[in-house]
Amino acid sequence: SAVISQKPSRDICQRGTSLTIQCQVDSQVTMMFWYRQQPGQSLTLIATANQGSEATYESGFVIDKFPISRPNLTFSTLTVSNMSPEDSSIYLCSVGDPGGNQPQHFGDGTRLSIL
Amino acid sequence: QKEVEQNSGPLSVPEGAIASLNCTYSDRGSQSFFWYRQYSGKSPELIMSIYSNGDKEDGRFTAQLNKASQYVSLLIRDSQPSDSATYLCAGVSNFGNEKLTFGTGTRLTIIP
Repeated sequence: SAVISQKPSRDICQRGTSLTIQCQVDSQVTMMFWYRQQPGQSLTLIATANQGSEATYESGFVIDKFPISRPNLTFSTLTVSNMSPEDSSIYLCSVGDPGGNQPQHFGDGTRLSIL
Repeated sequence: QKEVEQNSGPLSVPEGAIASLNCTYSDRGSQSFFWYRQYSGKSPELIMSIYSNGDKEDGRFTAQLNKASQYVSLLIRDSQPSDSATYLCAGVSNFGNEKLTFGTGTRLTIIP
């Protein structure tokens, strides 16, 4: 499976600031996704990152808060904007191929704490 | 709302025994299911995929799918302390998207 690198691996940020998380894949992939995992919780899909077009956001997530870029088939960024303590979570990038039968594979995640 | 449900546990199993993890889903359109293992502080790691009714075996792991009952399970034979982790069940509908819906996860502890 593809090697997925996320940066930064962790960060501590001040409220009101923004942080951009990068996801780099070692091969071209069709599908890229961004998830949030709050402490002690399961994974919640934030959005599907679409190459060359605007991301598709899930209910409860908006572009102003979580802008996403995907300039090519190997790279995507997620920005967490105007952060508050409630944004303290693990943010995960995943990749997959279309077809429904293809599993997704995850990067190591970014552990974000907001003071 | 499409949901995947799991017993959150914790589930404690003696070393060497069979661990049985269960998952139910509400979306009859879901066609593919995946089991992920997540160690504390780590990201989810795929361990099994299943698409058809019946059993699928891979080493010590067996996944079972019953679409009529909307039920997915994972059996771990000869449980080892290294199997202690949270196990996440996820489903995807083949009807137009590849989005995964995750269950809340079951925390498994293997007791030496």
